[in-house]
Amino acid sequence: DADVTQTPRNRITKTGKRIMLECSQTKGHDRMYWYRQDPGLGLRLIYYSFDVKDINKGEISDGYSVSRQAQAKFSLSLESAIPNQTALYFCATSDPAEYQETQYFGPGTRLLVL
Amino acid sequence: DQQVKQNSPSLSVQEGRISILNCDYTNSMFDYFLWYKKYPAEGPTFLISISSIKDKNEDGRFTVFLNKSAKHLSLHIVPSQPGDSAVYFCAASLEGTYKYIFGTGTRLKVLA
Repeated sequence: DADVTQTPRNRITKTGKRIMLECSQTKGHDRMYWYRQDPGLGLRLIYYSFDVKDINKGEISDGYSVSRQAQAKFSLSLESAIPNQTALYFCATSDPAEYQETQYFGPGTRLLVL
Repeated sequence: DQQVKQNSPSLSVQEGRISILNCDYTNSMFDYFLWYKKYPAEGPTFLISISSIKDKNEDGRFTVFLNKSAKHLSLHIVPSQPGDSAVYFCAASLEGTYKYIFGTGTRLKVLA
């Protein structure tokens, strides 16, 4: 079973709709992250959380919100989706106790906003 | 402003030969660098990393070189195998921030 899972894997929505992307992990890591990948732009950090009570904005947080419901769950919401939020979204986790704090990524959610 | 740059969007190499993927950065305060590999329909997976106190790190067929004066790192894969065909991202982080800044990726195709 995958350690980091994302649902849904694919989603098509319309402009103005509210949608939620979910991430769950069984790695027991405290730190979780949301990234988006766009062609030619690599991965960019949207939000990150170092524990259940900690939420921080990344470099491109406008138009997004997050919720850390539990250590294992970190959700990303688009309150009112717009076409330029069409992208591939990745969740990641990490453990600061690791000697080299590697981030472990989920399989991604492909989002299309019409 | 792209702090981590991968100027080659794609690279093709014959099986058995060396693949060299390059990455440049602008912030001299970056102290930790990583390479991730990504296959289609999967998330990126960690490949190899290097601390700024080193200039080389080797793991099997993969070697990462760091040239701090040039703000440049490279990933060498030798010998290249068809299963190495993927998109490779380099990433950098600042000490204490625990956040990665990713490059734009290089698509490697290893030809059989």
